[in-house]
Amino acid sequence: DAGVTQSPTHLIKTRGQHVTLRCSPISGHKSVSWYQQVLGQGPQFIFQYYEKEERGRGNFPDRFSARQFPNYSSELNVNALLLGDSALYLCASSWVTSGRDTQYFGPGTRLTVL
Amino acid sequence: LAKTTQPISMDSYEGQEVNITCSHNNIATNDYITWYQQFPSQGPRFIIQGYKTKVTNEVASLFIPADRKSSTLSLPRVSLSDTAVYYCLVGGVSGGSYIPTFGRGTSLIVHP
Repeated sequence: DAGVTQSPTHLIKTRGQHVTLRCSPISGHKSVSWYQQVLGQGPQFIFQYYEKEERGRGNFPDRFSARQFPNYSSELNVNALLLGDSALYLCASSWVTSGRDTQYFGPGTRLTVL
Repeated sequence: LAKTTQPISMDSYEGQEVNITCSHNNIATNDYITWYQQFPSQGPRFIIQGYKTKVTNEVASLFIPADRKSSTLSLPRVSLSDTAVYYCLVGGVSGGSYIPTFGRGTSLIVHP
């Protein structure tokens, strides 16, 4: 079985632009979570979706938004990019949304904002 | 939300046992404790998960005391390939939503 896949692998944008990152979960997983990981820090939770509904939101500005599609894939959108948005964006999938459910992470999308 | 605290870094040598402790003083009753391993420019990889007492799998053991305010990941006989950052994750529920919280991780360096 394929693991969590993310696209693109790398992305370079300039300040003020918009970006869309994509994630395909492991087959059968219905929950997708997004994390931002700045160099030298642990992943910071952005969003969690389950059955196309938002189930959790971290402390991120409204410039960040996401959605989940009927096939359980997901998109993370970031508007009005800032230099500080440069980071590794991780997607994780799991069966449900709970502390007991193991999250499986994708390889991430490296976003550089110039 | 449960906050986790780990040592920033640790050094070890091949063949030794490594124990990494994570503090989570305000862990909630329903929270599980999960440990992940991360190599540079890769996503975290699941190592082990537990709720209380001891859990063991083919790669590690997890020790959780009765008060659950801390947990210790034990890696037996480490090798050079175990050099990575190790994260303790405690699940937290806020407003009915599950909000997972990662700490800053422990950078483990294994020397020959």
